[in-house]
This record gives sequence, C-alpha cells and structure tokens, in this order.
Amino acid sequence: AAGVIQSPRHLIKEKRETATLKCYPIPRHDTVYWYQQGPGQDPQFLISFYEKMQSDKGSIPDRFSAQQFSDYHSELNMSSLELGDSALYFCASSPKRDAWDTEAFFGQGTRLTVV
Amino acid sequence: GENVEQHPSTLSVQEGDSAVIKCTYSDSASNYFPWYKQELGKRPQLIIDIRSNVGEKKDQRIAVTLNKTAKHFSLHITETQPEDSAVYFCAASRSTGGFKTIFGAGTRLFVKA
Repeated sequence: AAGVIQSPRHLIKEKRETATLKCYPIPRHDTVYWYQQGPGQDPQFLISFYEKMQSDKGSIPDRFSAQQFSDYHSELNMSSLELGDSALYFCASSPKRDAWDTEAFFGQGTRLTVV
Repeated sequence: GENVEQHPSTLSVQEGDSAVIKCTYSDSASNYFPWYKQELGKRPQLIIDIRSNVGEKKDQRIAVTLNKTAKHFSLHITETQPEDSAVYFCAASRSTGGFKTIFGAGTRLFVKA
C-alpha cells in the first residue's frame, strides 16, 4: 500500500542556509501535517493544510513557510537555518477532514542537521 | 492553548506484567484520540485509536479507555513483551475549527525480559 513519502531522508545544511522539505501524501488524502521532533522530544505540530489551504498553525517559526500544491504534495521551506532547527521533520496525511476517520499516517521523516 | 499531558515519562515493567499510560487533554472539542508507538529513529506508528463516541476499545493485548467528562484517556498493555519496548505517544485531535493533532510528551516503556 502507498505510504506518505518524504524527501530527502537526510539533509545537512549550514547555518543561515535554506532548506526545502517535500511531502507526498497518501493518494486521496487531502490533509497534510508537518511536525518537528527534536532528540528525545515529542513531535511538535508546525502547520497543516486541507485542500491546498492552510488549516491550522502551531509552533512554526516565522523563518519557515509551507504550502500545499494542486497535486496535494506539500513543501516546508526553512530559511536562515539555526543550529536549533536540527531535528527530525515528519509529514503526515489523513483523509477528508470532515470524515469520521481522521487517522494520520506518518512519513519516514527527514532528518535535518544544521552545522 | 491546547495541550496534552502524559504520564509517566518513563515506565519499566517485567515481561508479562501490564503497563498503563495516562493522558489528559485540554481542548474540549477533541474528538479523536490516537496512540502511537515510536521506535528509535523511526516514524510514529498508530497502534490503536478511540473516538469520542466510544468509551473503550480493545485490540488483542492493547486497550484504550476514554473519559470525556474528565478529559482523560489511557492506554493499557497486557502481557507485555520485550518488543513492546518503545516510546508511546498519546494524542488528541479535532476535525472541526482547524485540524491538527497535539501529542503528549511521550512515555518511554522498558519491558525487561
């Protein structure tokens, strides 16, 4: 069965550089979430999209932006990277938001290391 | 803002014993409560979930209970096995007025053989 695909799996960037993370949700899932998980921490909600529009916003820094495209894939753009941005970034997708079944499926994550 | 509190942060049990993890949530609009298991360096994997119209759900050795009045839900693992060792996250989600899942801080479960 198709799963949530994230790319790249690993990324190393220097401070003040920019990074773009990509997420391809499960087919027919129209809601995408982004989470940031630091070492030994729980996933922190960053932002979500439903039908290509921003649905909810969490602790996403102003240096980050995200969007969902017409094919439902999403990109997280991170600028002016800081050492503290080093983390595992998960994307998750779920079926229609107004359905009863709202289970979120996670991708394998992108490990970002800022040096 | 919305938050989910999870206890304990660490739990160590002997193989065959039961393990219980408890969570409370603050957003009264939450209507879906998944539990995720995360092994080191891997993605969170859904192991069981419960919706707000149900008080209890069981799947083999795993059960969840929900008390909407108290905004409290729990994960029960019986007959624990070494492969149950992982970090477990509870979460609360709502499907109206925005759509996001808030995670608890996680419980690191150690099952000793």
